[in-house]
Amino acid sequence: QKEVEQNSGPLSVPEGAIASLNCTYSDRGSQSFFWYRQYSGKSPELIMFIYSNGDKEDGRFTAQLNKASQYVSLLIRDSQPSDSATYLCAVKTSGSRLTFGEGTQLTVNP
Amino acid sequence: GAVVSQHPSRVICKSGTSVKIECRSLDFQATTMFWYRQFPKQSLMLMATSNEGSKATYEQGVEKDKFLINHASLTLSTLTVTSAHPEDSSFYICSAREYNGRATEAFFGQGTRLTVV
Repeated sequence: QKEVEQNSGPLSVPEGAIASLNCTYSDRGSQSFFWYRQYSGKSPELIMFIYSNGDKEDGRFTAQLNKASQYVSLLIRDSQPSDSATYLCAVKTSGSRLTFGEGTQLTVNP
Repeated sequence: GAVVSQHPSRVICKSGTSVKIECRSLDFQATTMFWYRQFPKQSLMLMATSNEGSKATYEQGVEKDKFLINHASLTLSTLTVTSAHPEDSSFYICSAREYNGRATEAFFGQGTRLTVV
């Protein structure tokens, strides 16, 4: 079982729709959860992080965490073509290291 | 947010030569820096964790004698790919965590595209 799993996609949504990205993790001791966006040929950029169960909203982005289900998601409201990228879920267990999922490729169609 | 600068952004080298990549934290002190490698259409794979003033911790399967990591100061870590071969061609990315723990997230450098010919 992979430590962090994501649907590889591609996920395609029309402009203005809600894009839902999902991630599960295997280590119940995981403490922090991160969503990164990576454009082709570029390094990842942090979108959001979440530590506590529930929802965390930042602009058009909402991160949702359910530790009991070992599940974290990212919702993107009013999706824009510029949101088209690969979204990486990362989980921090003990120590400093982050473990990344394979990423979900999102395409927002105009 | 914090800024991590990585240099060079692109490098082409001949097989058998060595290449040094620098990673600098510009506006914070980083006790811990991470080096990742990413092959096309794959996720980031952690190569090693570098702590200032001590030896790097390498992930399983990463040759420490081939990928030399130096973290001599709180703002600079270097990765040297020694005796590079075409299969080392990849996107190398560093990241750094702030020393004071104000934020636990790691900030990424711009990445280095290495092509070995």
